[in-house]
Amino acid sequence: EAQVTQNPRYLITVTGKKLTVTCSQNMNHEYMSWYRQDPGLGLRQIYYSMNVEVTDKGDVPEGYKVSRKEKRNFPLILESPSPNQTSLYFCASLRLGGTGELFFGEGSRLTVL
Amino acid sequence: EDQVTQSPEALRLQEGESSSLNCSYTVSGLRGLFWYRQDPGKGPEFLFTLYSAGEEKEKERLKATLTKKESFLHITAPKPEDSATYLCAVGANFGNEKLTFGTGTRLTIIP
Repeated sequence: EAQVTQNPRYLITVTGKKLTVTCSQNMNHEYMSWYRQDPGLGLRQIYYSMNVEVTDKGDVPEGYKVSRKEKRNFPLILESPSPNQTSLYFCASLRLGGTGELFFGEGSRLTVL
Repeated sequence: EDQVTQSPEALRLQEGESSSLNCSYTVSGLRGLFWYRQDPGKGPEFLFTLYSAGEEKEKERLKATLTKKESFLHITAPKPEDSATYLCAVGANFGNEKLTFGTGTRLTIIP
């Protein structure tokens, strides 16, 4: 089954404690991206990757890092989480040169106290 | 800057009562207009892509249409299982395959 898998699905942490949200896709997609979803603001892009070892900032990259060492994986790293990073996070992927349809994961709900 | 505005924010319909959701957009060169469905606690699920004004697509009780400034998602004779949040998004020709999303319309179908 084609899917984007995120872990953890739910996480409560404290300010300053580094955490990583993993994302893996099994569709051999070149492009992967992270979004955050907040009430009243919709989905906003954090970072994206056009292929292995190629990453760049989206609209709201402050406080986040990413890496793309393998085609299937695209982890999101919060080096020193703060309460304003409390949000619902989605990883997504798509095939370049295709229909432009983004495939989304199930989401990771993060609470930073 | 690309922008997407959806209306209404929320809509309650009786089962079988048809209606339309609106998506107004501005974009610097439209690559595509996307509709997604999102259920509580789930990721957005792709419904349609529209590429140019005048295009229409259908899937079961849903029909999406596109003009140069807006898109409509028409829901005909909805059922309770159509209850969800419907998201509209645009992709621009220039950029990184990013989608700019609206804040969605939360649709509730009452049996």
